[in-house]
Amino acid sequence: GAGVSQSPSNKVTEKGKDVELRCDPISGHTALYWYRQSLGQGLEFLIYFQGNSAPDKSGLPSDRFSAERTGGSVSTLTIQRTQQEDSAVYLCASSLVATDTQYFGPGTRLTVL
Amino acid sequence: RKEVEQDPGPFNVPEGATVAFNCTYSNSASQSFFWYRQDCRKEPKLLMSVYSSGNEDGRFTAQLNRASQYISLLIRDSKLSDSATYLCVVDPRGGYNKLIFGAGTRLAVHP
Repeated sequence: GAGVSQSPSNKVTEKGKDVELRCDPISGHTALYWYRQSLGQGLEFLIYFQGNSAPDKSGLPSDRFSAERTGGSVSTLTIQRTQQEDSAVYLCASSLVATDTQYFGPGTRLTVL
Repeated sequence: RKEVEQDPGPFNVPEGATVAFNCTYSNSASQSFFWYRQDCRKEPKLLMSVYSSGNEDGRFTAQLNRASQYISLLIRDSKLSDSATYLCVVDPRGGYNKLIFGAGTRLAVHP
């Protein structure tokens, strides 16, 4: 069956521009997570959505980062006024319920010039 | 101190070798533990959960030592296809899987 999909797979942008990254979770999965993986680093938790509950935004590194999840399905991560240190792979994961195994998408590789 | 620490490696081993990775975590109240595998430029995939009593899945054995706050992964009879980065993962709060990832240990199995 279809897994988690993310788009675009690669994004190159100039410093100061805004970017939007998209995640399509596995159908029926209620929990959705965003992570960031910088070169040589472990995955860093960014934000978590569970059903209609308020998201856990505790991992967002600054107010330039925001995310939404519409209709309990697709999620968009927005980074405003991108900086070079935002360059990383942004990974989305979903799980059937919050305590279940997380399945990751292939990620979006963001490069800020 | 990082919440989850791993030796980055690389571990270069011949086919058929046994190799072990350790990982330490800082939060003694952590609830759940996992090993994920990540191939180059691919997404992480769950390899196995780690239970207090230790658990085995084929050639892979995971152990948890809560007193010393470390987790281990043993791979027996290494295959070329085992070459990957192995991520130690901790769920510090339980309730939901807000996972804390180690930076990973790279394994290269050669003929």
